[in-house]
Amino acid sequence: ETGVTQSPTHLIKTRGQQVTLRCSSQSGHNTVSWYQQALGQGPQFIFQYYREEENGRGNFPPRFSGLQFPNYSSELNVNALELDDSALYLCASSYAGQETQYFGPGTRLLVL
Amino acid sequence: QQQVKQSPQSLIVQKGGISIINCAYENTAFDYFPWYQQFPGKGPALLIAIRPDVSEKKEGRFTISFNKSAKQFSLHIMDSQPGDSATYFCAASKGGYQKVTFGTGTKLQVIP
Repeated sequence: ETGVTQSPTHLIKTRGQQVTLRCSSQSGHNTVSWYQQALGQGPQFIFQYYREEENGRGNFPPRFSGLQFPNYSSELNVNALELDDSALYLCASSYAGQETQYFGPGTRLLVL
Repeated sequence: QQQVKQSPQSLIVQKGGISIINCAYENTAFDYFPWYQQFPGKGPALLIAIRPDVSEKKEGRFTISFNKSAKQFSLHIMDSQPGDSATYFCAASKGGYQKVTFGTGTKLQVIP
């Protein structure tokens, strides 16, 4: 059973640019959630996808968007990057209706 | 709005000692309370979780104590080991909806 994987591991962008982060869910999981973890803070929920549709969203602006594909892999897109977007972005997968989420190692994004 | 408050921010414990981390929540709709362990460069990993219908849950050296009336819960690590050195997050979620609200984290250092 493969775990949750994310790519890339690290990324440097400049303010105003756009970025796409990728996540492959653990085998068999049909739900994926994305979290932003600022340095020294707990993860903050961005949104969740189930059956390729957004299934809940945290307090993040529309420039944060996502996709879930038929194979349950997922993307997080962030437009018009701001300095405060610098963080570790975590993807977590799970079975729908089960509380246990399995996190990937994250993508470290630095916005200059 | 911080719905899960966690303390202390950091903790140093001697090997063999007991590590105690406390959390308090505000939203009485929360019905699932996991604890996550995060090592540097890794995503959070589920350690142990509890539901509000029980007051204590033990798994090996890790115990969660839950006080529903006080809206507080805590993690006890017995016989703490240097390998337990990590950041610990308490968290809460509600109704099978998998948005997880995290605390701010406790950095634990276990010294030999």
